This record gives sequence, structure tokens and C-alpha cells, in this order.
Amino acid sequence: KNQVEQSPQSLIILEGKNCTLQCNYTVSPFSNLRWYKQDTGRGPVSLTIMTFSENTKSNGRYTATLDADTKQSSLHITASQLSDSASYICVVSNAGNMLTFGGGTRLMVKP
Amino acid sequence: DVKVTQSSRYLVKRTGEKVFLECVQDMDHENMFWYRQDPGLGLRLIYFSYDVKMKEKGDIPEGYSVSREKKERFSLILESASTNQTSMYLCAVESSSNYGYTFGSGTRLTVV
Repeated sequence: KNQVEQSPQSLIILEGKNCTLQCNYTVSPFSNLRWYKQDTGRGPVSLTIMTFSENTKSNGRYTATLDADTKQSSLHITASQLSDSASYICVVSNAGNMLTFGGGTRLMVKP
Repeated sequence: DVKVTQSSRYLVKRTGEKVFLECVQDMDHENMFWYRQDPGLGLRLIYFSYDVKMKEKGDIPEGYSVSREKKERFSLILESASTNQTSMYLCAVESSSNYGYTFGSGTRLTVV
């Protein structure tokens, strides 16, 4: 069964600190992995998307990594800001373009 | 990038009412999706459509129907709203290039 597990479920950090969110998946055959940021009460917004051949991709202070061998991805946030407070969702697509969603990590950045 | 517009941010309806949730894209992409999102359950696929007048059931279609009369518009219909359909509803559009998958801003529906 295709599954995407994210950890931690929630995280509180101080403004300016770095943090790393984890995503493990069992989706097969793998096509691509996406990270989304979802502000409270809004729709998810794409941060990065990585295919099998890519092992790192950056979008400003967000850097995603992908290890297709171990089926793990991480999202690293550098120098966190209050506006980073949101849920972060990992989404994995199989070769048939069916998406499997992780449960998300809720991040709170405190001043 | 495609822009995905959901007609209402917040909606309050009574039990038994027929509810229409509208989703419109500003491009010509074929694939459109409706999800609901609930705490602890993540996003769950209700229905999707690969073309005009074409629809496919997702994981939780019960109590819902959809309509796609025009390519740019995909409507989710709650035939008789129930309190367990209180949820955040998200529409998504998949572009054929670059694996793009764009969500609308969401409609938070409360059924009382």
C-alpha cells in the first residue's frame, strides 16, 4: 500500500533557528515528490518538486533533499521567520500520476 | 502558472441543503481534482475529472457528485448536506507539463 509518513507531527522553534522536516514513503513506482506549505485556512502552495534523478532542490530558505534509495526526503528551513508558521505537506506521485499525501508537519515559529 | 479559484472561502449550510462548490482554472488543463481535508486525516480525494463531462470516483465519493460541463470549471455537489461533510474542500488542477499541481485557496464548509 502506498504510504507517506511525515515527522514530527508538530514542531515549535524560535525565530531565526533552522529546522528539518522528514518524509518517508513507500510509493512505488516512484515518479516525483513535492513539498507544499499550507497556511491556516488556505490551500497548499508548492515549494519544491523533485524527480528520481534530483537529490536536492532549493527555493529561497527552503531546501528539499531526496534519497530515492532509502525513500526519504527532508525539508530544511534556514533562518526561520514568523511567516514560516504553517503546515508542510509531503506528496509523492507514482508513475500513474496518483498522489499520496502525508499527514503534514505543523510548524510554529515563535518570536 | 495556472490560477485556481474557488468561489467561496467560507460557507455555512443547513443539513439537507443542496450545496455547490465551484472551482475555476484560468488555463486549459484537463485534469482537475476535488479533495477534502480534515484534522488527522490529511487530504482525501473525492472525485477527479480528466476532461469535459468525464468524472472518476476518488477514495471517498459517497454523498458527493461532480459536474464538468466546461473545461475550465469543475463543480462539487453535495446533494443533501450532512454535518459529517463539514470540512475544508480543496480543488486542484494538474498541468500537463513540469508535474505542476496547483491548489485553490479552499472552501471551509460548515453544515449545521
